[in-house]
Order: sequence, then C-alpha cells, then structure tokens
Amino acid sequence: TQLLEQSPQFLSIQEGENLTVYCNSSSVFSSLQWYRQEPGEGPVLLVTVVTGGEVKKLKRLTFQFGDARKDSSLHITAAQPGDTGLYLCAGVNLQGGSEKLVFGKGTKLTVNP
Amino acid sequence: EAQVTQNPRYLITVTGKKLTVTCSQNMNHEYMSWYRQDPGLGLRQIYYSMNVEVTDKGDVPEGYKVSRKEKRNFPLILESPSPNQTSLYFCASSFDWAGGVYNEQFFGPGTRLTVL
Repeated sequence: TQLLEQSPQFLSIQEGENLTVYCNSSSVFSSLQWYRQEPGEGPVLLVTVVTGGEVKKLKRLTFQFGDARKDSSLHITAAQPGDTGLYLCAGVNLQGGSEKLVFGKGTKLTVNP
Repeated sequence: EAQVTQNPRYLITVTGKKLTVTCSQNMNHEYMSWYRQDPGLGLRQIYYSMNVEVTDKGDVPEGYKVSRKEKRNFPLILESPSPNQTSLYFCASSFDWAGGVYNEQFFGPGTRLTVL
C-alpha cells in the first residue's frame, strides 16, 4: 500500500497553461516536502510545509498543505518548458509507528514549447 | 561547494560479485540515507543513519549492508548482487532530523547499477 498517492502520474501540457498536482494520504503527516527531479539528477527540494492549511509560494509555484495534514497540492501558473521534471512529495508519517520519510511515486510533468 | 558525491555513477556487474557504492557529503550532516528508484515504484528507502555508528533499516533493506564509521561517509554494500538489484541508487544527507520535521535532504547525482 502506497502511503502517499500522487496524481496524475503523467501530465503533458503546453507552455503557458496552469496545472495542479496532488499528493494524498489517509494518514496524518507532521510535514510534507516537495522535490523536483530532472533526468540524470537527484531530487532537489522545492519546499517544506509544516502547518495544516499552510500555503507557500515560490515564484509561479504555489504549495498548499491540507488542513488535516493528510494531503498537499502543487499549483504551477503559466508553466514553462523549464518546469519539466518529476515532482515528488515526501512526508514524515505520524501514525506509522516509526517516523520515516516516505516518498510518493511522483508526477512526471512535460511542458511543451 | 556543498554537495553529496557518489561513486561510481554507472556500474555493470555480474551476479554474486561483491560491490560497494560510496557516498560522501561535505556539509557535516548527521543524517544520511540510501534510496533506490525504480519505474513504477518510486523512491524507496534502503537504509538510513541518524549519526555515526547508528544505522537502521528502511523499507527495502534485504540484500544490502551499510556502515557509518565517519560522519561524512555512508557506503552501500551489496555482498552478493542479484539482477533484481538493478536500479538507480541515490544517497542523501540532511543536517538533522528533529521532532518529525526533516530538514532539506540533499541528494547525490545517482548511481545506475546493472546486475547481469
């Protein structure tokens, strides 16, 4: 059973479009992180959200942590080809009995020029 | 430059031939971890270490060993590699882990391992 479900799995859009990707769970997380991974490289942290309902903005990227700390979303405004990559969410599960960082399977985003 | 380095970047080997993938970080981080990344399965944690001489199993530890004799190094050892260990491996480190909130994890560039 995947603790963190990401959707969609794949997303291909045109430059200038907006998009939202989701990271959902039935479990509560003490924090959630979003990473972006480009081909041939390791993931790079974009943001960490800690408080339920928290919203963080990073230029055209908006991250939200659900009120119940069970889900998160990433919204990209006016996507650009440079946004292409694999977006991963990761969280520390409070109910799992052991506090490990777990990753979702990722959303592979392609932004076409 | 602050970084996590892994060696080798690419490795093709045969079943049963022991190998070690090295990982080193120059950021004085206490927490280090190994992951494998497979299509359709995402990133899965193999082992992690909270500090020197402290290691613990992740989600998929079978067939792997680690050691943490020094703060900066965290090698991954495959005593008898098998084809199902063919994967992309990442080492990561972070400054600390406090109360359920992970600090930023810095990932190495990855090691692509093929076991024939």
